[in-house]
Amino acid sequence: DTEVTQTPKHLVMGMTNKKSLKCEQHMGHRAMYWYKQKAKKPPELMFVYSYEKLSINESVPSRFSPECPNSSLLNLHLHALQPEDSALYLCASSPHETDVNTEAFFGQGTRLTVV
Amino acid sequence: GEDVEQSLFLSVREGDSSVINCTYTDSSSTYLYWYKQEPGAGLQLLTYIFSNMDMKQDQRLTVLLNKKDKHLSLRIADTQTGDSAIYFCAESIRSSASKIIFGSGTRLSIRP
Repeated sequence: DTEVTQTPKHLVMGMTNKKSLKCEQHMGHRAMYWYKQKAKKPPELMFVYSYEKLSINESVPSRFSPECPNSSLLNLHLHALQPEDSALYLCASSPHETDVNTEAFFGQGTRLTVV
Repeated sequence: GEDVEQSLFLSVREGDSSVINCTYTDSSSTYLYWYKQEPGAGLQLLTYIFSNMDMKQDQRLTVLLNKKDKHLSLRIADTQTGDSAIYFCAESIRSSASKIIFGSGTRLSIRP
């Protein structure tokens, strides 16, 4: 199983809603990542978890709150988002974070629209 | 600094070879990657090369790395319509923690 599974695939939420994006992998990877991709732009790193601890936060606004409940799961909690937060949110995992990174596997993404 | 650059568009005839180029600035890069993204989809890892190699071949794909010039290229032989996509060059930077930095992506279109 070399898949990273993200749910939901599409999400529409209002600016006052609270929602969560979910990501799951069963490859035994110990590093997991959240990326944000705006239309026609490259993915931009948001957060990195290593061994279930947050190791990188790329100055992401607090309305995005990541959580890693165990080594297979990564969540992104959303609250009070703005329309400009509409984007494709990609989850990725790799065997390790601080060691050489041979392969990072990406999920299909959650397409988020904030109205 | 961390910067990866690519040209935005490439158009090739079906059956010809496609060459997508990329330059990067961070000399501490460990791995360099090529990802493919089809419309509305996530990222698919095509191939990667370790920074101490200069070439890697995998079926129709050939990756060339010129570490001195910090230049990476992806050659797709016998380009097919299914190769239409955006191709992202990316580098893995090993500092306090590994990050993957993406280029802007090259949109490859195939003409008959």
